[in-house]
Amino acid sequence: NAGVTQTPKFRVLKTGQSMTLLCAQDMNHEYMYWYRQDPGMGLRLIHYSVGEGTTAKGEVPDGYNVSRLKKQNFLLGLESAAPSQTSVYFCASSTSVAYTDTQYFGPGTRLTVL
Amino acid sequence: QQQVKQSPQSLIVQKGGISIINCAYENTAFDYFPWYQQFPGKGPALLIAIRPDVSEKKEGRFTISFNKSAKQFSLHIMDSQPGDSATYFCAAAMGGGYNKLIFGAGTRLAVHP
Repeated sequence: NAGVTQTPKFRVLKTGQSMTLLCAQDMNHEYMYWYRQDPGMGLRLIHYSVGEGTTAKGEVPDGYNVSRLKKQNFLLGLESAAPSQTSVYFCASSTSVAYTDTQYFGPGTRLTVL
Repeated sequence: QQQVKQSPQSLIVQKGGISIINCAYENTAFDYFPWYQQFPGKGPALLIAIRPDVSEKKEGRFTISFNKSAKQFSLHIMDSQPGDSATYFCAAAMGGGYNKLIFGAGTRLAVHP
């Protein structure tokens, strides 16, 4: 049982390049989330999904797109990367919609945009 | 707009000492307050959580104290150990809608031997 996994672990992009971050979970969770973590700002929600085929915007969605074609996978895309998107990205998942339900986080992807 | 304010930003404690991290919130609709622990190179993991119907919750050396009237809650780590060195995030959530956590900015704790 691997839990939540993320690929890649590190990536360096040039301004304007695109990339996709992959999140996979093997816990059969319905809910999945993408956060970004920046120094002094904690974790901020980018997008989330309440189930296969559904996505919704979080606090800071601009510049990102997501897709959830399979229940176990949640993809985060950057179409035209900007230096402001330099951050550590975390994926998380939870069993249900209950707000007291624990969110399980992946190990993160460190992205640098030059 | 930061809905959950966390302090201090960093904390150094000697082994065996007490570590205290404080959080404050404004929205009285919040009614679930978890703390997450994050080790370097890892994702955050749930450490302990509290609902506002109790003023304190203890799990081993970790205790959450909650003051509903002051809209504040804090994490106390008793007998702090070098293995507790990590970044700690407080968070808040409310019912209705999706499972949304509002995180504090984080506190980097270093426990020196």
